[in-house]
Amino acid sequence: NAGVTQTPKFQVLKTGQSMTLQCAQDMNHEYMSWYRQDPGMGLRLIHYSVGAGITDQGEVPNGYNVSRSTTEDFPLRLLSAAPSQTSVYFCASSPNPYEQYFGPGTRLTVT
Amino acid sequence: KQEVTQIPAALSVPEGENLVLNCSFTDSAIYNLQWFRQDPGKGLTSLLLIQSSQREQTSGRLNASLDKSSGRSTLYIAASQPGDSATYLCAVRRDNAGNMLTFGGGTRLMVKP
Repeated sequence: NAGVTQTPKFQVLKTGQSMTLQCAQDMNHEYMSWYRQDPGMGLRLIHYSVGAGITDQGEVPNGYNVSRSTTEDFPLRLLSAAPSQTSVYFCASSPNPYEQYFGPGTRLTVT
Repeated sequence: KQEVTQIPAALSVPEGENLVLNCSFTDSAIYNLQWFRQDPGKGLTSLLLIQSSQREQTSGRLNASLDKSSGRSTLYIAASQPGDSATYLCAVRRDNAGNMLTFGGGTRLMVKP
């Protein structure tokens, strides 16, 4: 198993550009989540999904969209990038509400 | 709104010391609490998970305790080693429905040889 994979590892965007951060897992996990990590603030939940076709907002959802058309994939879309979205983004998956398996992260800079 | 605080933010100790990392949370109505380790430039690795009905969990040189009523958890690392150098994060889970975790800011640990 590859576990949780994220692409790209690094990305630089200009203000106003859009892009999609990819997340995939090959463990057949129902639960998937997106977090952002900013210095000194820990991780904050952006969006999460409890299964294919079901998504919900987390703590900081504004400026981001998600969809879950398959169990394996959970892409995060930035509609119009802003400097405040400069952060490290982590995707996680889990088979139940008790465990989390994190991907390696995507470091995003918006100029 | 749940808030999770970790003190200290950074800690430097000589190799071999026993140490304690602290985590506090404002809302005691949690489902469970989880400790993670994060190495620079990497994702998070789960270390220990304590259910709300439990008082402690142990794994090797690590021991995590939970006092839900006072909103506190500690991670005890025995006989620290340079390989323990990393950032340690605690997170609380609100319920068993959506897997939503609220994280603390982390403690950056440096163990010097």
